[in-house]
Amino acid sequence: NSKVIQTPRYLVKGQGQKAKMRCIPEKGHPVVFWYQQNKNNEFKFLINFQNQEVLQQIDMTEKRFSAECPSNSPCSLEIQSSEAGDSALYLCASSWEQDTQYFGPGTRLLVL
Amino acid sequence: GDSVTQTEGLVTLTKGLPVMLNCTYQTTYSPFLFWYVQHLNEAPKLLLKSSTDNKRTEHQGFYATLHKSSSSFHLQKSSVQLSDSALYFCALIASGGNYKPTFGKGTSLVVHP
Repeated sequence: NSKVIQTPRYLVKGQGQKAKMRCIPEKGHPVVFWYQQNKNNEFKFLINFQNQEVLQQIDMTEKRFSAECPSNSPCSLEIQSSEAGDSALYLCASSWEQDTQYFGPGTRLLVL
Repeated sequence: GDSVTQTEGLVTLTKGLPVMLNCTYQTTYSPFLFWYVQHLNEAPKLLLKSSTDNKRTEHQGFYATLHKSSSSFHLQKSSVQLSDSALYFCALIASGGNYKPTFGKGTSLVVHP
């Protein structure tokens, strides 16, 4: 069973507000991923880290999202100015290099 | 770039029947293929994985064989159960790709009594 912890489980924000969610990856996993799962259940990759360094991120993440994975602290994903289209399930996953991803339960964001 | 195609968005079956969920992929690198299952309101979790050509891998009654010649990794089960109702995602990790998996769009499997 996955031991990836995500908080909060639910988040409600108004448009333009900041929305921040956190993830504690499985102990020892060096790679952390953030995904957005939309209402059609499709996964959109947002960003991944190896240890504290960003490996890859999409344009949207560069512009409106900020994310970090500091050592000895939870990883975080923050939307600087929430939009209605950001309403989704945000999944964090961790893994060894190029292997199985272990997912957390997700943070469900609703932007009103 | 890499891609994963799952042709069925929804599969509806009666309990006890066999099922095959299709997954094909494209990559220029050596592939590592995964099937994840996501039950309602739960996190996705690994069902099967393989990077070995032509070797069948099995777990919880499900099985799949990676065929590099046809770029496929179809998921099968000989007799579905009600508890198999879930979303199934095929994913590809291609070596040399910053560890970023490529997911298919997912197949929703609904099993009726």
